[in-house]
Amino acid sequence: AQRVTQPEKLLSVFKGAPVELKCNYSYSGSPELFWYVQYSRQRLQLLLRHISRESIKGFTADLNKGETSFHLKKPFAQEEDSAMYYCALQNSGNTPLVFGKGTRLSVIA
Amino acid sequence: DAGVIQSPRHEVTEMGQEVTLRCKPISGHDYLFWYRQTMMRGLELLIYFNNNVPIDDSGMPEDRFSAKMPNASFSTLKIQPSEPRDSAVYFCASSLVGTGVGYTFGSGTRLTVV
Repeated sequence: AQRVTQPEKLLSVFKGAPVELKCNYSYSGSPELFWYVQYSRQRLQLLLRHISRESIKGFTADLNKGETSFHLKKPFAQEEDSAMYYCALQNSGNTPLVFGKGTRLSVIA
Repeated sequence: DAGVIQSPRHEVTEMGQEVTLRCKPISGHDYLFWYRQTMMRGLELLIYFNNNVPIDDSGMPEDRFSAKMPNASFSTLKIQPSEPRDSAVYFCASSLVGTGVGYTFGSGTRLTVV
């Protein structure tokens, strides 16, 4: 069965400090992994996907198949990064996303 | 396009009442998803449709929950009768081809059952 685990419900960091939001998955095949973000009072929106290997708003995420992880990282946190972050997995193009329970990131000035 | 539109934004109802949540997907999208968001369980998939046909409703918690998609531009999620444990934020999302990159979420409906 597919499962996405985000071990931290809440992560607080100081502005300018590095950030790492953890995500581990369980799936026997080759999944597609995504990070979605939900800012206060806004809808969920796609932040990045592993296939594109891009950096969005300074965030990056590398898929580690050996550790089945897809951690989200940013070298220097900013206050506007405070939000709810969801890691999601999809096993093929026609199946729904499976989400983790989310991690609330709080960046302290 | 105004994006995925959900109504109402907030709903407060008494236990036992019927609740209907509405969703208008993005025109041209062929997949529609209903998710429920709670602190304890995060985002759970309730049901999804492809070309207006329900594909998987295994996430619907009980028979009290039902969803319909009578046409490509409208879907409803109904809870009858509602219970306090149904209190959550309900999100609708639509996509083309079902890929994660194409998911567009609505603003959600915050349901409170008292």
